[in-house]
Amino acid sequence: NAGVTQTPKFRVLKTGQSMTLLCAQDMNHEYMYWYRQDPGMGLRLIHYSVGEGTTAKGEVPDGYNVSRLKKQNFLLGLESAAPSQTSVYFCASSYSREGRNSPLHFGNGTRLTVT
Amino acid sequence: AQSVAQPEDQVNVAEGNPLTVKCTYSVSGNPYLFWYVQYPNRGLQFLLKYITGDNLVKGSYGFEAEFNKSQTSFHLKKPSALVSDSALYFCAVRDIGNDMRFGAGTRLTVKP
Repeated sequence: NAGVTQTPKFRVLKTGQSMTLLCAQDMNHEYMYWYRQDPGMGLRLIHYSVGEGTTAKGEVPDGYNVSRLKKQNFLLGLESAAPSQTSVYFCASSYSREGRNSPLHFGNGTRLTVT
Repeated sequence: AQSVAQPEDQVNVAEGNPLTVKCTYSVSGNPYLFWYVQYPNRGLQFLLKYITGDNLVKGSYGFEAEFNKSQTSFHLKKPSALVSDSALYFCAVRDIGNDMRFGAGTRLTVKP
């Protein structure tokens, strides 16, 4: 049982390059989330999804796009990377039947550096 | 919109002493409150949650949290700290929507 798996674990990009971060969960969770973690700022929500084919903006969506074509996968895209997007990115998922009771299950993160 | 605040960046305690990590919240409806722990180079792990009912919630690894509605607080506690409890702790809240918002985190250091 892998839980939430993020790929890649590390990545270095040059300004203006694009990339996609992949998140996969095997728990049949309906909800999925992308957060970024920066020192002293905790985790900030980028985008989230409450089901296949649906996405919504979080606190800091600018510069990012997401897609949820399959229930188990949630992709985060950076079309034109900027140094301000240097961060650690976490994917999480939760079970909708518990509603707001449901805690989040996290992946181990992707460390992205934009030079 | 919902939010949480963790007023302390760092908490230091001696092993065997009680520990408290503070959290205050702001929500428009009934709060759904959570505590998570993060070890180095890992994702966050769920510790405990408050939904309704008893104001003292018990969770994993001997941790508990006290919900206080009048003070809008949800402080994390443990009667006797271990060196292995040293980590980054996050308070989080879920309000009307399905997204979860996190505090800035508190680094707990337990010294032998």
